[in-house]
Amino acid sequence: GAGVSQSPSNKVTEKGKDVELRCDPISGHTALYWYRQRLGQGLEFLIYFQGNSAPDKSGLPSDRFSAERTGESVSTLTIQRTQQEDSAVYLCASSLDRPLIVGELFFGEGSRLTVL
Amino acid sequence: AQSVSQHNHHVILSEAASLELGCNYSYGGTVNLFWYVQYPGQHLQLLLKYFSGDPLVKGIKGFEAEFIKSKFSFNLRKPSVQWSDTAEYFCAAQGAQKLVFGQGTRLTINP
Repeated sequence: GAGVSQSPSNKVTEKGKDVELRCDPISGHTALYWYRQRLGQGLEFLIYFQGNSAPDKSGLPSDRFSAERTGESVSTLTIQRTQQEDSAVYLCASSLDRPLIVGELFFGEGSRLTVL
Repeated sequence: AQSVSQHNHHVILSEAASLELGCNYSYGGTVNLFWYVQYPGQHLQLLLKYFSGDPLVKGIKGFEAEFIKSKFSFNLRKPSVQWSDTAEYFCAAQGAQKLVFGQGTRLTINP
């Protein structure tokens, strides 16, 4: 499809397990963001990839969280030793070059993570 | 640090009422401002954006927003709301690089 694709759409896991979330951005989009949205709350910035620059990881809440991106394609967000407070919808968004130039992020539908 | 505040968490209006949702940002330099909307069951989409020039910007579906630099504000307005405007609205600001969102305002329009 032409949009941002995220998988899985829903993930239920047990506390202490590792999870991996995947984001497939729109082809040609160099910028990619991960956000977290807890129930009833706003979007919490996690990490930002822009081309070949070093990612901005300033939003990652702990060292249990990590993300990778291969070139300008797929990104994976990994959460190790999941905790109940990690339960949220994880949103991925991509944009063409920098938002400074185009100004529009295209969002995926999110991956809903539930940690039991 | 860059931040965005939306003071209205939940707004309930009747159809045809006028709407104004508040948004304040904190960032010392040049900033780009956005409003995104999330309709029930759908993903986030851009409503309007401000980069420079005319501080009054118009977006889709009759929405507009005014950038007031002295107040660090970018409030969203619509003169007459419709039931279909029921959604969650997010203000966002981009300073040096990353785009930071406010906590969102849930708008409920009663028919």
